[in-house]
Amino acid sequence: GNSVTQMEGPVTLSEEAFLTINCTYTATGYPSLFWYVQYPGEGLQLLLKATKADDKGSNKGFEATYRKETTSFHLEKGSVQVSDSAVYFCALNKDSNYQLIWGAGTKLIIKP
Amino acid sequence: DAMVIQNPRYQVTQFGKPVTLSCSQTLNHNVMYWYQQKSSQAPKLLFHYYDKDFNNEADTPDNFQSRRPNTSFCFLDIRSPGLGDAAMYLCATSKEESGPRSRETQYFGPGTRLLVL
Repeated sequence: GNSVTQMEGPVTLSEEAFLTINCTYTATGYPSLFWYVQYPGEGLQLLLKATKADDKGSNKGFEATYRKETTSFHLEKGSVQVSDSAVYFCALNKDSNYQLIWGAGTKLIIKP
Repeated sequence: DAMVIQNPRYQVTQFGKPVTLSCSQTLNHNVMYWYQQKSSQAPKLLFHYYDKDFNNEADTPDNFQSRRPNTSFCFLDIRSPGLGDAAMYLCATSKEESGPRSRETQYFGPGTRLLVL
């Protein structure tokens, strides 16, 4: 079945460090892939998405590339800020209905 | 700005006392979803409306019901809240065209945090 696996958190980094949060998926067909971010006490915000192989999604300095050969969609940012502290969820669409398949989420803590 | 609005942001109810959470959207999206999220875990889909068609997830308890009186509004009714229903409830919307590859982005509201006493 379809599934999403994210690296476990929390991930703790210093400000201006390079960030990678790993996400791999198992899916039939050609899903769309998403990263959502959830700041403390708030709802989910779409961070970026990619709809086909080799697409790169980008937003607010974050990037992720849809790699079909490695079934991955790793999230990266070159220089993190304290304000990036949040929980990050990787997700994919499931064919034939409208359900998102979610990773478990990765809590990111950025220290000044 | 077009958006998904949830009211209230915080709701306190008593054990067994019915409660209704509301969601509205100005995006004119045809699909609306309700999710339950506990302790920053992944959201769990409860049900969704495709236009007026209601689609319940197989493991959603009967205690949870929903209404969608028009395109813009959707309500989540919890008939007899238990302590285990304390959670963040998230509403989301998407605009879905017909066709097998129509899987568009879901846009979320800020959520309503429900506390059951």
